[in-house]
Amino acid sequence: GENVEQHPSTLSVQEGDSAVIKCTYSDSASNYFPWYKQELGKRPQLIIDIRSNVGEKKDQRIAVTLNKTAKHFSLHITETQPEDSAVYFCAAPVGGTSYGKLTFGQGTILTVHP
Amino acid sequence: DGGITQSPKYLFRKEGQNVTLSCEQNLNHDAMYWYRQDPGQGLRLIYYSQIVNDFQKGDIAEGYSVSREKKESFPLTVTSAQKNPTAFYLCASSIGRRNTEAFFGQGTRLTVV
Repeated sequence: GENVEQHPSTLSVQEGDSAVIKCTYSDSASNYFPWYKQELGKRPQLIIDIRSNVGEKKDQRIAVTLNKTAKHFSLHITETQPEDSAVYFCAAPVGGTSYGKLTFGQGTILTVHP
Repeated sequence: DGGITQSPKYLFRKEGQNVTLSCEQNLNHDAMYWYRQDPGQGLRLIYYSQIVNDFQKGDIAEGYSVSREKKESFPLTVTSAQKNPTAFYLCASSIGRRNTEAFFGQGTRLTVV
């Protein structure tokens, strides 16, 4: 099955700085990589995803890059704001499944200091 | 907060008791999932269901049971066999095709007292 490793486990930045979270995966058949944001006490929500036919995708201040050869993908947040503080999870689909079962990384606690 | 609803938000259980967590969705999704969230361990899959009347064990199914009698509902029972049940439980659903977004409920925090 798929194994997803996420680093770092905690990340502290000053407002306006950039933040980068990295994930590696094991199943070369994986071709869909979502990122979820979970604010304190709330449900995880999808913020961006990427499919293996592209190497990068951007949505305003967030972007995701994918390196299929190295089997890793990263979340980039620019011009961070205090409301970006949350736990971020990467995920990858379990190989060979015909539906959206995901394996999640361990999560990164991002803290943005004003 | 429409779409997928979990209840209750907080649940207390005495040791040795079974408890059932509710999960209902009105998104017409075929697939539903239960995850357990512990600090520093991300989300771990307990059980999942692709269609009605079918479900499969995930990575940490021991001490849990589920049913899928209706498309909209996927309740999770935490049995007395679960050694360390205190955790945050998240239910999710998706269309069911590969590479589609999972939508999460707001979670149930279970505490054993």
